[in-house]
Amino acid sequence: ELKVEQNPLFLSMQEGKNYTIYCNYSTTSDRLYWYRQDPGKSLESLFVLLSNGAVKQEGRLMASLDTKARLSTLHITAAVHDLSATYFCAVVASGTYKYIFGTGTRLKVLA
Amino acid sequence: ETGVTQTPRHLVMGMTNKKSLKCEQHLGHNAMYWYKQSAKKPLELMFVYNFKEQTENNSVPSRFSPECPNSSHLFLHLHTLQPEDSALYLCASSQDQGDVETQYFGPGTRLLVL
Repeated sequence: ELKVEQNPLFLSMQEGKNYTIYCNYSTTSDRLYWYRQDPGKSLESLFVLLSNGAVKQEGRLMASLDTKARLSTLHITAAVHDLSATYFCAVVASGTYKYIFGTGTRLKVLA
Repeated sequence: ETGVTQTPRHLVMGMTNKKSLKCEQHLGHNAMYWYKQSAKKPLELMFVYNFKEQTENNSVPSRFSPECPNSSHLFLHLHTLQPEDSALYLCASSQDQGDVETQYFGPGTRLLVL
């Protein structure tokens, strides 16, 4: 059974600091997604990572994928308050159409 | 309307009621999904439809009954629900199943079962 784990579950950080969110998954996956969810809102797609070594960046967020380690990271550079949200990773198990989501990381950036 | 819309946005129902959730996508996608999001639990995939055909049923209780009359519309019929079914129900669509283009989510229906 495919499992996806994120850590930390909660993250409180100061503005201007850097931090990394980790996403581990338990079996082979075709691709990995990162989403953002603001309180009371729906999910917004951030990144799609398709291959080993893939790296994507958008603003202060950078995501990478290591398929051999079954690990993805979401790195936050010089955090700002607007990045406060819950971040989810999700994988699709190879040969299936099931999206499995991680537990989410609730990020709070303090001014 | 653009993107993925869901109605109603909020729903309160008793355990003996029958209600339906509606999802409509205006993106020309072929695949549609129902998810359940409960507090302190990961987002759970419930059903997947591709070209109106159900391709995934993730061991969902029969009190949840999906319907997909065409590629743009998806319903979730609810009957004899339990209080533990209270959650945010999210609909999503994508160009094709498992497509790398990713899923687009609707705003969700927040359901409370009394």
